[in-house]
Amino acid sequence: LAKTTQPISMDSYEGQEVNITCSHNNIATNDYITWYQQFPSQGPRFIIQGYKTKVTNEVASLFIPADRKSSTLSLPRVSLSDTAVYYCLVGDSGGYNKLIFGAGTRLAVHP
Amino acid sequence: GAVVSQHPSRVICKSGTSVKIECRSLDFQATTMFWYRQFPKQSLMLMATSNEGSKATYEQGVEKDKFLINHASLTLSTLTVTSAHPEDSSFYICSANEGTVNTGELFFGEGSRLTVL
Repeated sequence: LAKTTQPISMDSYEGQEVNITCSHNNIATNDYITWYQQFPSQGPRFIIQGYKTKVTNEVASLFIPADRKSSTLSLPRVSLSDTAVYYCLVGDSGGYNKLIFGAGTRLAVHP
Repeated sequence: GAVVSQHPSRVICKSGTSVKIECRSLDFQATTMFWYRQFPKQSLMLMATSNEGSKATYEQGVEKDKFLINHASLTLSTLTVTSAHPEDSSFYICSANEGTVNTGELFFGEGSRLTVL
């Protein structure tokens, strides 16, 4: 199973862009990279998913280099409500999407 | 997106009793669901994979007789914590996949907080 490594915590201020990088050196060919957001006492919420290059949706962008050994989640103009834990996951190529969570990055957005 | 619902959201029970937590996929069929456990300030730990119509697959270190999983239909999986003890107090989260293999887009339930007195 591909293991992920992220910074334990990050701090930012409202209105800033936040970039969270995740390392997944042994990602498999068929694996996708997915990011989730979790607020306290809630289940994780899907943010974005990609396989390679760049993916953008209404809330974030995901940058994946050609070797796919890392990925960067970019949150534009964060607000206080973006304070949460962000998890980077790499899909298990075993065939039924068993996802193993790493430690995640605890993002604190300050006024 | 797809909706996964858990019930109950909170449960308090006495030590030695059993507690059942339900996980439903509301608008899609899920042949596979996953159960996670999360302790305060920690990440989610995968407990088991629930397969519709067959036995669940448990992760190493998870007692299958302690955490009974039943996936009797394509929209419902249940987790029963048998003979619960205070150390079983945790946040239990289920998830289900909608989509093709390896896309990894899991949808998670709201979680169920179990407190064992």
